[in-house]
Amino acid sequence: DTGVSQNPRHKITKRGQNVTFRCDPISEHNRLYWYRQTLGQGPEFLTYFQNEAQLEKSRLLSDRFSAERPKGSFSTLEIQRTEQGDSAMYLCASSFSYQPQHFGDGTRLSIL
Amino acid sequence: GQQVMQIPQYQHVQEGEDFTTYCNSSTTLSNIQWYKQRPGGHPVFLIQLVKSGEVKKQKRLTFQFGEAKKNSSLHITATQTTDVGTYFCAGYSGGGADGLTFGKGTHLIIQP
Repeated sequence: DTGVSQNPRHKITKRGQNVTFRCDPISEHNRLYWYRQTLGQGPEFLTYFQNEAQLEKSRLLSDRFSAERPKGSFSTLEIQRTEQGDSAMYLCASSFSYQPQHFGDGTRLSIL
Repeated sequence: GQQVMQIPQYQHVQEGEDFTTYCNSSTTLSNIQWYKQRPGGHPVFLIQLVKSGEVKKQKRLTFQFGEAKKNSSLHITATQTTDVGTYFCAGYSGGGADGLTFGKGTHLIIQP
């Protein structure tokens, strides 16, 4: 069990650019979640997948955000036309069904 | 939508003192989970409570789930410097909403 892996760890980009993050969940977990966390706040749910199906999306997930999980393994989260307000830590977590979620170390996004 | 509130936001204690954080949900929860996040780290699962009125202990940590399944508490006896971090409660409300809703957390600061 190598845990949940996220890359890159840090991403600095100019406003208006597109960015993509990757998450590799724990292999036997069928659920994968994306959260966003800003300083001093708890993680905010963005979306989740059960296997390859995206089953729920938060209203926080604007049209500029898209997530995929091809083949039910790794997942990518893309943000198009980044804005200042997108600066945050993007956390990925995985679980088996409703079992407790295991979080990765996150990708810290900074928008210049 | 569901809201999860935690108090206090910050708690300063002397090493050896006890600490309690309280969590309240605006809706009845199917279960509640507690996570700890060290500075610079990611949330790490501590425990899950499912039954109304449930009490669970982990060494110096005692977790309670309210009878109405809308509130919970975490109590740490005789804090140690290793307890430093932010403690989050998180819940599923059920009803098709499968993303965890986190509270804002209680930041525990320990003075030696």
